[in-house]
Amino acid sequence: KAGVTQTPRYLIKTRGQQVTLSCSPISGHRSVSWYQQTPGQGLQFLFEYFSETQRNKGNFPGRFSGRQFSNSRSEMNVSTLELGDSALYLCASSLNEQYFGPGTRLTVT
Amino acid sequence: QKEVEQNSGPLSVPEGAIASLNCTYSDRVSQSFFWYRQYSGKSPELIMSIYSNGDKEDGRFTAQLNKASQYVSLLIRDSQPSDSATYLCAVNLAGTALIFGKGTTLSVSS
Repeated sequence: KAGVTQTPRYLIKTRGQQVTLSCSPISGHRSVSWYQQTPGQGLQFLFEYFSETQRNKGNFPGRFSGRQFSNSRSEMNVSTLELGDSALYLCASSLNEQYFGPGTRLTVT
Repeated sequence: QKEVEQNSGPLSVPEGAIASLNCTYSDRVSQSFFWYRQYSGKSPELIMSIYSNGDKEDGRFTAQLNKASQYVSLLIRDSQPSDSATYLCAVNLAGTALIFGKGTTLSVSS
């Protein structure tokens, strides 16, 4: 069974721009969660989607948003990028246990 | 504020020894507990899940859960240099979303 895929793998953006990241879950998984990982803060939960509905949300500003499509694929969007948004963004899909994709490394300059 | 605490390490053990990794959590109602391994530059990989008090063994790995003490641990027997990584403890937040500790770095020397 194919694992979680994320695109793009690497991204460089400028402050003030916006970015959209994509995640395709493991076949049959309907839950997709997004996390931000930085050296200082570790892995922090952004939001979780299940059957196209946001089920849980972490403590991030409204610049961070997401959505899920009927095929369970998910996107997250960050608007008005700040330098502090530079991080590894990880997507995880699950039935009960979460399995992570390879991540998207975002660098904001 | 739900929290998961881990000793950041590094924890250094010789090859063949037992590595013991510990984690405490703040929310008494947490039901699901996980250990992930993360190699440098890679994404976290699930190695163990545990849901009830006691021990759960899988190969060289044993997870131990004590809900009364809000404590979960991971033992790695016969540690190998390839076990050198950061080990992340995670506890369910809501739904399937997880809250993670900041990880313990394990170094196994040959």
